[in-house]
Amino acid sequence: EVQLVESGGGLVQPGRSLRLSCAASGFTFDDYAMHWVRQAPGKGLEWVSGISWNSGSIGYADSVKGRFTISRDNAKNSLYLQMNSLRAEDTALYYCAKLPTVTTWFDYWGQGTLVTVSS
Amino acid sequence: DIVMTQTPLSLSVTPGQPASISCKSSQSLLHSDGKTYLYWYLQKPGQSPQLLIYEVSSRFSGVPDRFSGSGSGTDFTLKISRVEAEDVGVYYCMQGIHLPPMYTFGQGTKLEIK
Repeated sequence: EVQLVESGGGLVQPGRSLRLSCAASGFTFDDYAMHWVRQAPGKGLEWVSGISWNSGSIGYADSVKGRFTISRDNAKNSLYLQMNSLRAEDTALYYCAKLPTVTTWFDYWGQGTLVTVSS
Repeated sequence: DIVMTQTPLSLSVTPGQPASISCKSSQSLLHSDGKTYLYWYLQKPGQSPQLLIYEVSSRFSGVPDRFSGSGSGTDFTLKISRVEAEDVGVYYCMQGIHLPPMYTFGQGTKLEIK
């Protein structure tokens, strides 16, 4: 059974940092690009960042560029998101996901971890 | 960056009636390989999103055939031929550029049952 389990969310003050983790199981993690997608309370989905299978290609949404860093450890089947200089508008449920690609039209999603940025 | 614009933002449909959602991209989604990487998702209340349609018009495994996708270039449509109660939720279109990774979602269209 495929599982993506996010962790590391919580309440953090504006300007501080937080690191999210995603533990993957049930599929060959290092075969696929992985992503973080977020959803602010009552709002729509926003793609945040993605990383290729070998970390050789990385992308960020403009809203987080320069503040967030995505990484992965294929030996540990894990995906990470280092979030620095957090703002109130970063408050959201953060999903770890394998999204459809050119060669793989299936996807996997976790249940999300909630990040709340507030003083 | 590519902007995805969905209309309408909300829809109230009687069971058994059809529904249609439009998605327009700010630039053509036709890839150099000849394919178009436009996807449709449904997020049911309290759940993670689930893939309905990939590459404009291909239904994902297990998706009922009352769901269909069409379009090309910058204009795309998701149609539900006969809405059922289980179809309630928010529908999103999404485009994907895979290298470097860069995806964009539409704002979402909330479907409710009358």
